[in-house]
Amino acid sequence: NAGVTQTPKFRILKIGQSMTLQCTQDMNHNYMYWYRQDPGMGLKLIYYSVGAGITDKGEVPNGYNVSRSTTEDFPLRLELAAPSQTSVYFCASSYPTLVAGVADTQYFGPGTRLTVL
Amino acid sequence: GQQVMQIPQYQHVQEGEDFTTYCNSSTTLSNIQWYKQRPGGHPVFLIQLVKSGEVKKQKRLTFQFGEAKKNSSLHITATQTTDVGTYFCAGPVDDKIIFGKGTRLHILP
Repeated sequence: NAGVTQTPKFRILKIGQSMTLQCTQDMNHNYMYWYRQDPGMGLKLIYYSVGAGITDKGEVPNGYNVSRSTTEDFPLRLELAAPSQTSVYFCASSYPTLVAGVADTQYFGPGTRLTVL
Repeated sequence: GQQVMQIPQYQHVQEGEDFTTYCNSSTTLSNIQWYKQRPGGHPVFLIQLVKSGEVKKQKRLTFQFGEAKKNSSLHITATQTTDVGTYFCAGPVDDKIIFGKGTRLHILP
């Protein structure tokens, strides 16, 4: 299994440009997540999905959109890039344990380093 | 909203010294997870604690979950250069996992 893969690894955008960050997992996980990590900071949840066709906002969804048409893929779309979106973006996936009080282990991709100039 | 807070933000230790990071929640957590992120890498799951007062060990790492399930700690005994990185705690809020800001550990040779 490749686990969680993300493309591209690096990208530089100009202000106002658009792009899609790709995320794919081959572990048949229901849950998928997008986080951003600013330099020296923690992880902030952008969007998440509990299954194909279902998405929901996290802590910092503004400026982003997602879709989940298949179990494997969870792309993140930036429509009008702004310098504030310069960050490292991590995609993660998990399989629900369905055990009360026990959280799922999240498996992270290698990240996409995005710079907006 | 509910927060998961970590202290300290940074810690410098001499190689061989011990290290501890603390995680606190404003509300009771059903469980807590710990992750490690090496410089330039991605977070990797270390462990999950579920029971009140639970203590788990992984070699030189000791994880504790408070009796009230509102706090947790990670203690590393006799740090090595391979321990360098940022350690995050994470707790469930509704159907999401909220991460603390992490403690960045630097090892001085």
